[in-house]
Amino acid sequence: QSVLTQPPSSSGTPGQRVTISCSGSSSNIGSNTINWYQQLPGTAPKLLIHSNNQRPSGVPDRFSGSKSGTSGALAISGLQSEDEADYFCAAWDDSLSGPVFGGGTKLTVL
Amino acid sequence: EVQLVETGGGLIQAGGSLRLSCTASGFSVSGYYMVWVRQAPGKGLEWIAFLYSIRDTYYADSVKGRFTISRDASKNTLYLQMDRLRAEDTAVYYCARGPSGYSYGSRFESWGQGALVTVSS
Repeated sequence: QSVLTQPPSSSGTPGQRVTISCSGSSSNIGSNTINWYQQLPGTAPKLLIHSNNQRPSGVPDRFSGSKSGTSGALAISGLQSEDEADYFCAAWDDSLSGPVFGGGTKLTVL
Repeated sequence: EVQLVETGGGLIQAGGSLRLSCTASGFSVSGYYMVWVRQAPGKGLEWIAFLYSIRDTYYADSVKGRFTISRDASKNTLYLQMDRLRAEDTAVYYCARGPSGYSYGSRFESWGQGALVTVSS
């Protein structure tokens, strides 16, 4: 079982806003930043959000991240069909001395 | 352009050994925090090993004592030596690079395409 907890699935219609949650503990999200990855079918993960809420160059501003306490969230506004993918959260864990990931959320665009 | 290319995956019997390579271009593997992450079929991501300096190597409990991460600066390549393989090691193995100036973390800016390792029991 994954150290960080995400809902296994989420869905929305084009143009809608969806939010994916990520829950952890004091040893990971509570004391370190969250990063989010997007994995399109059959491809490697791609960094989508880093340092809780920063977008790498080239990532549309439809994607945003937030963190509060031991939880975080990824928001996608103006949902598009190409956003259909798996999304993973990640954080450093001080107790495990390594990075930990969420189990992933499969986003379906209806 | 930063690029990572994994090779060495394949089908192996349980108890056997395999070495994965991750050849980098566009940067030097010696100067970055590098990690191996795996993804079992239909499952999530699992960190298994990371390396910053030759003295700073760390392993997940699931592979400790069986897997070894290393790098060869002259070949600009990261390796993962996998011994005593088990069926539960079956996964796509990715190498990834941390950002400049970081010696640890969960932020990986570049990923390889992945190498499939299948361990038959």
